[in-house]
Amino acid sequence: AQSVTQLGSHVSVSEGALVLLRCNYSSSVPPYLFWYVQYPNQGLQLLLKYTSAATLVKGINGFEAEFKKSETSFHLTKPSAHMSDAAEYFCAVRAQAGTALIFGKGTTLSVSS
Amino acid sequence: GAGVSQSPSNKVTEKGKDVELRCDPISGHTALYWYRQRLGQGLEFLIYFQGNSAPDKSGLPSDRFSAERTGESVSTLTIQRTQQEDSAVYLCASSLDGTRTYEQYFGPGTRLTVT
Repeated sequence: AQSVTQLGSHVSVSEGALVLLRCNYSSSVPPYLFWYVQYPNQGLQLLLKYTSAATLVKGINGFEAEFKKSETSFHLTKPSAHMSDAAEYFCAVRAQAGTALIFGKGTTLSVSS
Repeated sequence: GAGVSQSPSNKVTEKGKDVELRCDPISGHTALYWYRQRLGQGLEFLIYFQGNSAPDKSGLPSDRFSAERTGESVSTLTIQRTQQEDSAVYLCASSLDGTRTYEQYFGPGTRLTVT
């Protein structure tokens, strides 16, 4: 069975500070991993995905994530937060073809000036 | 090109009524998924369509929920005899096919409120 745990339902940072959103997964097979962002009243938008190629994945808007098999983690980072980064972020795992994504409960990111 | 669209964007209904939610996937996408997002929760998988194969209904929470898809086009999610716990945002997503290579593109969702 697959599962995703996002540590911290709410993260607050100052503008310009490092953003770190944590995601740990459980999967019985090598997983594909995703980060999605949801802005208020909008659908989910893909930030980046890991598909067993490079372990460091770069996404849109300056975000990146590193797949660490030994830690079963796929944390999302951004060196310098912008006000526009305030949103809800979801980590998801998809272990097998023909299956849906399994989502974490989400982390709300707040950015203060 | 156009993304995934959903209608209505908001729906308020009385307990016990039936509702029908619509999803128009991206043209050419053979895979279509329905998810439910309750307040403060992650997304829960409901149902998955892949081409003309039998749908994966393993996520449907009760027999009050059903969904149909006509070929590789529009899908409708029907909730019969709605209950207050059905209040949620219902999200539809589509992808080029069901292999995990292709990411899922999400619609804006339908916010359902059952009073």
